[in-house]
This record gives sequence, C-alpha cells and structure tokens, in this order.
Amino acid sequence: EAGVTQSPTHLIKTRGQQATLRCSPISGHTSVYWYQQALGLGLQFLLWYDEGEERNRGNFPPRFSGRQFPNYSSELNVNALELEDSALYLCASSSPGLSYEQYFGPGTRLTVT
Amino acid sequence: AQSVAQPEDQVNVAEGNPLTVKCTYSVSGNPYLFWYVQYPNRGLQFLLKYITGDNLVKGSYGFEAEFNKSQTSFHLKKPSALVSDSALYFCAVRDIGSGAGSYQLTFGKGTKLSVIP
Repeated sequence: EAGVTQSPTHLIKTRGQQATLRCSPISGHTSVYWYQQALGLGLQFLLWYDEGEERNRGNFPPRFSGRQFPNYSSELNVNALELEDSALYLCASSSPGLSYEQYFGPGTRLTVT
Repeated sequence: AQSVAQPEDQVNVAEGNPLTVKCTYSVSGNPYLFWYVQYPNRGLQFLLKYITGDNLVKGSYGFEAEFNKSQTSFHLKKPSALVSDSALYFCAVRDIGSGAGSYQLTFGKGTKLSVIP
C-alpha cells in the first residue's frame, strides 16, 4: 500500500511570491491534515480537510489556504510569502472513522529567501 | 484546549541502556495519545498509541509507553537502546471530548534522542 506522498520535495521561493504544495493521501483515506514544522517550534496544525470541506484551521493567517479535490488529494497555498514561512510542511491522512490514526508524508521543505 | 509538554529538548543514552523520553499532556476530557519518530529529512513515523484499555502500550521497534492518568503522563520507553534509535521523538495528544474541532493532533516540541555507541 502506497503511503502519503507530497510534492515537491523542496521548494525555493522569494518573499512575496506564492507557493503551492501538494499531497496525495493513502488510498481510502478521506481526511487530510496539514502541519508546519518550523525550526524550534515543533509541529503546528494548519488545516484539516475532510470530504472536500475545510473542517478546521489552526492559528495561521488567511494567506495560508488550501483545498481538497474529489479524489481526496489536497493542495496548500501560501500567498505573500514571508521569510518566517520557511519550514517543513507535513501532510497527514486518516481513514473514515479512524481520524485519530494519522499517517504522515515525507514533507515539503519550503525555503523563502 | 489541549497541550503537550516534552520537558527535555535532548536525551543522551548509552547503547544497550534503557531509555525514557518524557511527555505530559493537558486535555479537558479523555486523551488519545501518540508517539511519533522523525529521522533526519523525513516525515513522521507512527510508533504507538493509547486509546483505551491497558495502560502499558507496546509499539514498533521495541518501544513502549505507559499511560498514567493521575500524573497526566505518557512516557516513551525502551529496555535497551540502539544507535539506530537516534532521532527526534514527538508526543501528541487528541482530546476526544472536544468535538470536531479537536480532530487534529497537538504535538510537543520534540525530544532529540542520541544513543551513544
């Protein structure tokens, strides 16, 4: 069974640009979660999508947004990039009824210069 | 609100010795508790979880954790450490009593485990 996949592996942007990160969940999983892992800050919850809807978001500004597609894959968009957005962005997925078991992808390393 | 504390940024242990990585949590209801491990430049790998039942939970790679409700702790343990166990360990909690808004996990800041040969 294929795990959670994320693309790209690395992304380098300049301040003010937009970044788009992608996530494909495990087959059969309908929920996707996005987390930011910034140096020294641990993992911070960003967004949760389930069945195509945004169910909850963490304490991040509106320039962090995303969506979930009919095939349950997901996209995270970060607009007006700032230097402090540099981090590892992790995507996780879970199956219906087992939302507490989250399986993580390898992450996308976003560097903002 | 739910929170997790990992009081040690780093734990050093000699190979073959027992290891403990500490975690305490705070939730308003009953917790689901998890340990994940992260190797350099990798995503998180699931180690073990406590949902209900026996307070001693066994997980992958010989790790185990003990749920202690009175001390609100969920420390990760292994009887004999391996050099390959060196990694970053995260404790996470989900408060099952807080409704849909609590489906995401709240993570501690991580503990770097170094096993010395």
